Parts: sequence; structure tokens; C-alpha cells
Amino acid sequence: AQSVSQHNHHVILSEAASLELGCNYSYGGTVNLFWYVQYPGQHLQLLLKYFSGDPLVKGIKGFEAEFIKSKFSFNLRKPSVQWSDTAEYFCAVIPWGDDKIIFGKGTRLHILP
Amino acid sequence: NAGVTQTPKFRILKIGQSMTLQCAQDMNHNYMYWYRQDPGMGLKLIYYSVGAGITDKGEVPNGYNVSRSTTEDFPLRLELAAPSQTSVYFCASSPPRGNNQPQHFGDGTRLSIL
Repeated sequence: AQSVSQHNHHVILSEAASLELGCNYSYGGTVNLFWYVQYPGQHLQLLLKYFSGDPLVKGIKGFEAEFIKSKFSFNLRKPSVQWSDTAEYFCAVIPWGDDKIIFGKGTRLHILP
Repeated sequence: NAGVTQTPKFRILKIGQSMTLQCAQDMNHNYMYWYRQDPGMGLKLIYYSVGAGITDKGEVPNGYNVSRSTTEDFPLRLELAAPSQTSVYFCASSPPRGNNQPQHFGDGTRLSIL
């Protein structure tokens, strides 16, 4: 079955530290890839997406992600985190031709001021 | 532009009671989805619909029912509430998959079964 794995369940960083959250998926064909963010008490919001083209995708709030097809990965990065980045982050995949989006279990990010 | 609207935001039910979680979208999206979110478990798909009159089961459909009589509305029904259904429920919508657009989420319904 298709799945999305997020390696880190809980990450704690200090402000200004660099961030990388891992995401791997298990599907051999073409995929659409997403990162969503959920701030405390809020709904999921799109951070960035990859459909085709440049594998380095830039999103909102200084986040970026790199699609590495050979590694089935779509890791999320940010050079310098802020306290306001405290949230839960979800990686998601839509296999090409499918109707359903598959979410990872999420990574809870806590930034210390 | 309201986007995806869910009601109610909070609800407490007794075991065995029934209720309907409402979801409406005003973006003329064909696809709509219901998820439940439990701590540390991510989002699990309950049911989804690719258009009016068409619904299909997701990963965790047991104990729930849906209907899609219009493009705008996609209510989720709990017939006999059980403690295991305590969760946060999110509705989402998107254009057809060919449009390469992400899902839009509602604000969620926090449901407690006591």
C-alpha cells in the first residue's frame, strides 16, 4: 500500500537554527507532493507543493522543499526558524491518477524562544 | 469567500447518540473529503466524494456515513456514537485531480464522545 513516512515525530529547535524535516513516500510512479502546516488550534494550510519542473520548490514563510526522485523523498527545509514556526507539519502525496491524498503522520515542531 | 465551512466547531455527545457534521464549500470543487485527526496519527481519510451523487470509502469508514446530494455540501453522519470516535474532524475540498490543485481544509469539528 502507498504510504508516506515522516521520520521525526517531534523536533525541538532554538530560534535561528536550521530545519530539515524528512519525508519519504512509497510509490514508484509520478506523484504530486505537498507540505501542509497546522498551527495550534487551526486547520491545515498549504506550505508548498510540487507537481513538475524544478525539484527545488519554494513556499511561504521562507520554507523550501527538494524533490529527489531517486530517493522518493521530499524534505522540507528552512535556513533559520522563528518561534512562530511552532506547528505540526504534514507531508502528503497524491499518486498520479489517484483521487486521494495520502498524509504522513506529521512532525510536531517546537521552537524555543 | 468562505472556502470550506464546517459546523459545529465543538460538540459533546453521549455514547449511542447520533449527529451530523456539516461541511459546505463555495468554490465549486468537485472533490470533497472527510478526515479524522488523532494525536500522533496524522489524518485518516473516512470518506470522499468526486462529485454529487458519488461517494467512496476511505481508510476508516466504519461507524460513519456520508451523502453528496449537491456539489456544495458533504455531511458526515455518526449513527451510534462511540468513545473511539472522539477526534477532530476535518472536511476538505479540491478541484478534480487534473487541475493540479491542493486541498482546502475547513477549521475542523472537535467531537468528544462521553
